[in-house]
Amino acid sequence: AQTVTQSQPEMSVQEAETVTLSCTYDTSESDYYLFWYKQPPSRQMILVIRQEAYKQQNATENRFSVNFQKAAKSFSLKISDSQLGDAAMYFCAYRSALRGNEKLTFGTGTRLTIIP
Amino acid sequence: DAGITQSPRYKITETGRQVTLMCHQTWSHSYMFWYRQDLGHGLRLIYYSAAADITDKGEVPDGYVVSRSKTENFPLTLESATRSQTSVYFCASSDWGGNQPQHFGDGTRLSIL
Repeated sequence: AQTVTQSQPEMSVQEAETVTLSCTYDTSESDYYLFWYKQPPSRQMILVIRQEAYKQQNATENRFSVNFQKAAKSFSLKISDSQLGDAAMYFCAYRSALRGNEKLTFGTGTRLTIIP
Repeated sequence: DAGITQSPRYKITETGRQVTLMCHQTWSHSYMFWYRQDLGHGLRLIYYSAAADITDKGEVPDGYVVSRSKTENFPLTLESATRSQTSVYFCASSDWGGNQPQHFGDGTRLSIL
């Protein structure tokens, strides 16, 4: 079974600075997908960014980018130019590429605080 | 409006009662999922469904029942609620294949007294 570990329960960053959230995972599969979801106080689960394991290039979405290290099984999220609206819980998630195995395995989350 | 809708948003009930949480999606996605969110655990999968009339257990299925007679609906029933089932419940859906993300409902906060 796959596991996802987020070792930082809480992080804080000054507004406009850069912060990196860590995520590691354990799997014996070679093909899979990784996701970062954001959960603001409204409780919605919002997709931030996704990465296909077969792609070497790191995914980027505006101020959000990942550092995907397949050999190390590491998938960190970098938020540049942090804004107050980035304050939220962030969850890392793993999904197998095998058909019929569409479920997500989540980490325990990192609560990000933005300091004005 | 297209999307995924959960109801109710909040629910308070007593131990031993039967409770059903509703989930409806308008995308005709094949897959639907139920997760529970608890502090320190993140989201854990309760049940999922690959299509109408096909369901399977997730990580924490005990005490829950699901059905999927129509593609768009995936209700979750607690047959005899216990305090340990106090949680926030999320329904999600996705299409099959590629890197299709799961789309989540707004969650149901369930309190069992």
